[in-house]
Amino acid sequence: EVVLTQSPGTLSLSPGERATLSCRASQSVNGGYLAWFQQKPGQAPRLLIYGASIRATGIPDRFSGSGSGTDFTLTINRLEPEDFAVYYCQQCSISPWTFGQGTKVEIK
Amino acid sequence: EVRLVESGGGLVQPGGSLRLSCAASGFTFSSYWMTWVRQAPGKGLEWVANIMQDGSESYYVDSVKGRFTISRDNAQKSLHLQMNSLRAEDTAVYYCARLAWSNGWIFDYWGQGTVVTVSS
Repeated sequence: EVVLTQSPGTLSLSPGERATLSCRASQSVNGGYLAWFQQKPGQAPRLLIYGASIRATGIPDRFSGSGSGTDFTLTINRLEPEDFAVYYCQQCSISPWTFGQGTKVEIK
Repeated sequence: EVRLVESGGGLVQPGGSLRLSCAASGFTFSSYWMTWVRQAPGKGLEWVANIMQDGSESYYVDSVKGRFTISRDNAQKSLHLQMNSLRAEDTAVYYCARLAWSNGWIFDYWGQGTVVTVSS
C-alpha cells in the first residue's frame, strides 16, 4: 500500500500569505494519478488538482500543484478567507488507492 | 448539472447490514466508473470500492472485502453499497463519487454523504 504523508499537519497563516503543502509517497507514484482535494467542515471533498498539476474546472489560478515520483506540493498563493480548510492528497496509481492524512490550513 | 445524492445511512448494530444508495443525475451515468469513499468521525478519507461502467468489474479495499458489495443499476442511474457484517470501525460518512479519466483517474464530482453508525 502506498502511504501518503502530508506535512505539516497544521499550517497557521494569514489571508494574503502563501501556503505550501507537502505530500510524500512511500513509493513512486505516477504523477498522472496524484490529486489534491479541499474539504471544509460538514462538506464533501472538492477536487482541486489532478495529474499532479492540472487545475480542475472552476479552480482559481492561485492554486497550483507540482511534483513527481514521491514528492508533490500544493501551493496556494495569496490565501483568501475561503481557502482555510483541510487539504488531502490522493494517489490512484497503485491499488489500494490511498489518501494522505490531511493538512489543515487555519487562520493565524 | 452533475448531482449525486446518497441515502440509506443510519444506526445499525454490530454484525448488521445496511444498503446505501446514490442517485445520479446530470450526466450519462452508464458511461462512468463510480466509487465509494468513507470518512470516519474526525478522520481522513478512505477509498472503499469502485465499479466499472457495466458493473462487470469491481474493486475493494482489503478491510471490506467479503463484507461489502458495490453494484449499480444503469437504468435507474443509481449506485449501491451493500454492507454486511458491519463493525464499529465501519462508522463513517460514506460518499459516492464519479470517476473520470484524463491521463489518470479523477474523483471529479462527489455527493454530500450519508452517515453510517455501527453501535450497540
